[in-house]
Amino acid sequence: EAQVTQNPRYLITVTGKKLTVTCSQNMNHEYMSWYRQDPGLGLRQIYYSMNVEVTDKGDVPEGYKVSRKEKRNFPLILESPSPNQTSLYFCASSTFTRQGPYEQYFGPGTRLTVT
Amino acid sequence: SQQGEEDPQALSIQEGENATMNCSYKTSINNLQWYRQNSGRGLVHLILIRSNEREKHSGRLRVTLDTSKKSSSLLITASRAADTASYFCATRQSPYFGANSKLTFGKGITLSVRP
Repeated sequence: EAQVTQNPRYLITVTGKKLTVTCSQNMNHEYMSWYRQDPGLGLRQIYYSMNVEVTDKGDVPEGYKVSRKEKRNFPLILESPSPNQTSLYFCASSTFTRQGPYEQYFGPGTRLTVT
Repeated sequence: SQQGEEDPQALSIQEGENATMNCSYKTSINNLQWYRQNSGRGLVHLILIRSNEREKHSGRLRVTLDTSKKSSSLLITASRAADTASYFCATRQSPYFGANSKLTFGKGITLSVRP
């Protein structure tokens, strides 16, 4: 079954404690991306990757890191989480051509609370 | 400010009626995509329309694109209670390969379909 998986689904942590949210896709997609969703602000892109070892900033990259060492995995790292990073996070993947990223397949989401 | 802005923010209709949602954007695009999100879940891709297309259909969905007005509309015909969800448009801001592959989502439209 084609899917994007994220772990964990729910996480409560404290300020400053490093954490990683994993994302994996089994569709051999080139393009992977992380978004955060906050009430009234919609979905905002944090980082994206067009292929292995190719990453770039989205609209809200501050406080986040990513890496793309393998095509299927795209972890999101919060080195020192702060309460303003409390949010619902989505990973997504898609094919990618000269026309840009295509249909995005979304993971189920990770609800993060930083106290 | 958002690249894609949906309008209206919320829409409430009776089952069987048609629902029309609009999306406006600011810069040239390669394609525009519409997504649906059921409460708290990952987004699901509905339809993609390329910049050289004016209209596209998929089941009860009809999408139009007017690049001169930088706007798109999503029409859901004969709505059902199960169509109740949030709807988002998403655009890639630059048409040039590699120049900017961010995917920008609007804030979403909340559609309620009353049985």
